Amino acid sequence: EAGVVQSPRYKIIEKKQPVAFWCNPISGHNTLYWYLQNLGQGPELLIRYENEEAVDDSQLPKDRFSAERLKGVDSTLKIQPAELGDSAVYLCASSYAGSRSYNEQFFGPGTRLTVL
Amino acid sequence: DAKTTQPNSMESNEEEPVHLPCNHSTISGTDYIHWYRQLPSQGPEYVIHGLTSNVNNRMASLAIAEDRKSSTLILHRATLRDAAVYYCIPTRNAGNMLTFGGGTRLMVKP
Repeated sequence: EAGVVQSPRYKIIEKKQPVAFWCNPISGHNTLYWYLQNLGQGPELLIRYENEEAVDDSQLPKDRFSAERLKGVDSTLKIQPAELGDSAVYLCASSYAGSRSYNEQFFGPGTRLTVL
Repeated sequence: DAKTTQPNSMESNEEEPVHLPCNHSTISGTDYIHWYRQLPSQGPEYVIHGLTSNVNNRMASLAIAEDRKSSTLILHRATLRDAAVYYCIPTRNAGNMLTFGGGTRLMVKP
């Protein structure tokens, strides 16, 4: 079974440029998460989707960050314009939220963003 | 969610047992205790979870104190592949809302 796929794995851009990250969750998973991980810290949730609906985006900096999950499958996270402080690893995860199931989250390998 | 306290780092010898502690003194009665780990250059992966009783799976065992204010993740025989950051995460749901702290970096010596 394929895991969570993210691309690109690495991205280097100059500040003020736009950047986009793509995530394809595990087939059948209805919940998708984007996390940000700074060096030496644990991941921090940016946004959580249940199917197409963003149910928790309270930590997403909406002035420059946007996300979409069209058709409730894959998702894109965008930053425009990027700032130096956005350099981090962006992780995507997915899970199946059934009524009686444990919602184990499966993470992708992440995209390491470097803003120069 | 409850706050957690974990050692910043621990060291173990290969093939020896490892006990990774976590204090979560503000845990509520309905909080699950989740453990995830993150290998170098990878995303986190699920290890184990529990509510009140001790739990075992193929990766590890979870020992939960009777008052639930602490728990211990037990790796029965550490391998080099177990070198990772281990996160203890109490959360008021069945896993769909995880708040990661700093975790414990486990180093395994050959």
